[in-house]
Order: sequence, then structure tokens, then C-alpha cells
Amino acid sequence: AQSVAQPEDQVNVAEGNPLTVKCTYSVSGNPYLFWYVQYPNRGLQFLLKYITGDNLVKGSYGFEAEFNKSQTSFHLKKPSALVSDSALYFCAVSPYGNNRLAFGKGNQVVVIP
Amino acid sequence: NAGVTQTPKFRILKIGQSMTLQCTQDMNHNYMYWYRQDPGMGLKLIYYSVGAGITDKGEVPNGYNVSRSTTEDFPLRLELAAPSQTSVYFCASRRGTGRNQAQHFGDGTRLSIL
Repeated sequence: AQSVAQPEDQVNVAEGNPLTVKCTYSVSGNPYLFWYVQYPNRGLQFLLKYITGDNLVKGSYGFEAEFNKSQTSFHLKKPSALVSDSALYFCAVSPYGNNRLAFGKGNQVVVIP
Repeated sequence: NAGVTQTPKFRILKIGQSMTLQCTQDMNHNYMYWYRQDPGMGLKLIYYSVGAGITDKGEVPNGYNVSRSTTEDFPLRLELAAPSQTSVYFCASRRGTGRNQAQHFGDGTRLSIL
């Protein structure tokens, strides 16, 4: 069965500083990996995905993520955080061809002005 | 496009009551999902459907039922509401198999069982 670990409950970062949200996964076979963001009282919004190819994936709002197969990680990054990036971030994994996603518990990101 | 629409947005139920959470999508997606979100627990899959007439259980199906009579609609039914079902429920959809597997989410139904 697939699983996702997001080890930090909350990530605090000063506006303008680099932002990193960590994610490690466990899955049989090749993974599909996703990042979603959730703003208060809203559903999850897709940010980016890794299916195959380049290990560095670029997504919406200046976010990117690096797939590392040997470390089974898929950390989300942004070079310069904005106050508007404050939200709940979810990492998710699916084995190749599987219909279902397994989500991590989420990380609250707080960007301090 | 409206995307994925969930109704109602909020609801308070008494223990033992029943209700249906509605979900409809206008993107002609084959796959649809129901999740529940509890604080600090991420999203747990309740049921999913790969097309009209086909449904299957997820991680936490007990106490819930679903149907999929059309491509657009995927209602979730609670027959005997229990306090443990207090949660935020999200419906999602996506296209069929292939590389484009991102799920599109509705804005959720916040349900309290008292």
C-alpha cells in the first residue's frame, strides 16, 4: 500500500526567504507524485505533479518540486515566499496506473511579513 | 466552467438522521471520489467511481453509501448519522487513465453531527 509522510506540522518562513515543504513516500513500483494547496474554507488546488522525466518539476505560482528516487522524496520549494503563500500544503502519491491517491497529513505554511 | 460543485456547504444533523451530500461535475470526467478531512489527518478516501454504474470502497467506507447513475453526479449518503462522521467532506473528479491524473476538488461540505 502507498503512504506519504510530511514530517513537519507547521513551516514558518519570513517573506522573501526560500520555502521548503518536505515529503517522503512509500509505494510499489514507479510513483505518480502530486502537490496540492488548500486555502481556508476551500477545496484542494493542484500545484504540480511528477509522472516521469526531469526530476525538477515546475508548477503554479512559482512553486517547484524535486523528485529524488533514492531518497523517496518529493520536496516542494519556492525561492522567495509571499505572505499569500500561507496555506495548507498536501503531498500525495499514486502507483503507476492506480486510480487512488494517498495523501499526507498536510503542512501548514505561515509566511511572516 | 463550474468544475466540481458540492451542496450543501454547511449542515448540522442530529444523531441517527440521514442525509445526502450532492456532488456534480461538468468536465465529463470519468473518475470521481469522496474524501473526508479531519484536522491533522489529511484526506481519507471514502468511495470512488471509475465511471457511471461502477463504484468501489476506499479506506473508510463504513457508514456511507454512494451511487453513480450518471457521469456528472456522485452523491454520498449517510444513513444513520453518528458523531464520528463530523468532518469536512470533499468531492473530486479527474479524467481517465493516462498521464493527466490531477484531481479537481469541490469546496467541501462541512458537516456536524450533534
